[in-house]
Amino acid sequence: DTEVTQTPKHLVMGMTNKKSLKCEQHMGHRAMYWYKQKAKKPPELMFVYSYEKLSINESVPSRFSPECPNSSLLNLHLHALQPEDSALYLCASSPSDRDNEQFFGPGTRLTVL
Amino acid sequence: AQSVTQLDSQVPVFEEAPVELRCNYSSSVSVYLFWYVQYPNQGLQLLLKYLSGSTLVESINGFEAEFNKSQTSFHLRKPSVHISDTAEYFCAVSDPWGQNFVFGPGTRLSVLP
Repeated sequence: DTEVTQTPKHLVMGMTNKKSLKCEQHMGHRAMYWYKQKAKKPPELMFVYSYEKLSINESVPSRFSPECPNSSLLNLHLHALQPEDSALYLCASSPSDRDNEQFFGPGTRLTVL
Repeated sequence: AQSVTQLDSQVPVFEEAPVELRCNYSSSVSVYLFWYVQYPNQGLQLLLKYLSGSTLVESINGFEAEFNKSQTSFHLRKPSVHISDTAEYFCAVSDPWGQNFVFGPGTRLSVLP
């Protein structure tokens, strides 16, 4: 299995909702990443988990809360989002955080109303 | 810290014509370089990478890129493009320790019939 999967593909939520994005990989990778991508822009790094520990948080607002329950799973919990948080959220993994080749999932298209 | 410049935000080209997508970087240390492709409504896929060794790297679908240290460039080329090559192309750079992974702003390649 050489892919990263993400669910759901699309998510529409109100500003008072709580929702979660899920990412899964079964390649034995020990580093996992969350990126945010706005239209016509490159992905922006949000979080990096290395060996299930949060190693990088790029000053992301607390309304985004990452979680790494095990080495294969990565969640992003969402609460009290703003319309400007609408974007494509991409998950990626790599063998380690010292390995440069990242494998990306297809993304979750999030719309905040 | 590294940075990446992609001078062309959009490149229209006719089918079967050659194409070059430009990428320049700046860094105070040696770098690893990548080209990722993003098809509409999809995640990113690694197209090719330069880590060390031969400065000319090739992908399985006919793209190639050449690392030029003196010009700090890593331009992507294809001698004959297909309609299916229409996508967003991102150049990326990291340091050799897998840190400071940075995407360029992207170039939208549109292949016209």
